[in-house]
Amino acid sequence: GAGVSQSPRYKVAKRGQDVALRCDPISGHVSLFWYQQALGQGPEFLTYFQNEAQLDKSGLPSDRFFAERPEGSVSTLKIQRTQQEDSAVYLCASSKRRFGTANTEAFFGQGTRLTVV
Amino acid sequence: SQKIEQNSEALNIQEGKTATLTCNYTNYSPAYLQWYRQDPGRGPVFLLLIRENEKEKRKERLKVTFDTTLKQSLFHITASQPADSATYLCALAHQAGTALIFGKGTTLSVSS
Repeated sequence: GAGVSQSPRYKVAKRGQDVALRCDPISGHVSLFWYQQALGQGPEFLTYFQNEAQLDKSGLPSDRFFAERPEGSVSTLKIQRTQQEDSAVYLCASSKRRFGTANTEAFFGQGTRLTVV
Repeated sequence: SQKIEQNSEALNIQEGKTATLTCNYTNYSPAYLQWYRQDPGRGPVFLLLIRENEKEKRKERLKVTFDTTLKQSLFHITASQPADSATYLCALAHQAGTALIFGKGTTLSVSS
């Protein structure tokens, strides 16, 4: 499709389980962001890629969170040993500009809703 | 610390009226301000971007203002329609290459 695609749409994980969330950005988009959105809140920044380079990971809440984009297209957000506080919607956004999305439109996927039980 | 406040969690208006949503920020000097629309179960959708040296931006029934002295942006939807019902998010960025910082959003309900 033409938009940002995320999978799975929904994920239920038992506490302590590892999960992997996938993002397919729009083809050719250089910048890719991951955000976490808790219920009733705005999205919060997790990490930023420019092509395959992870330029900013200051928003990752702990070392249990890891993201990669090895070939500069598809990205995976991995959460190890999930905890209940990890329950949220994880959003991926991409843009065609090199320097992020501050000065240009960001295209968001539909998100993955993670529930940790 | 940086803080972004959107005027209210919920705003209810009648069809045909103008909806005005407010975004205030503190301890921040953004170069760019964006507004997004988010429907339940969906990702945010970009609406408008305004730069710090721009006072106003328009797009069809939408208008955004940006007052760096008041540290405030106003988002207007004129001739509102029930289809405009959604959550509207304000987002700021310090400069190119930095991530957007989002407010909590305001949920607009337009009744017919």
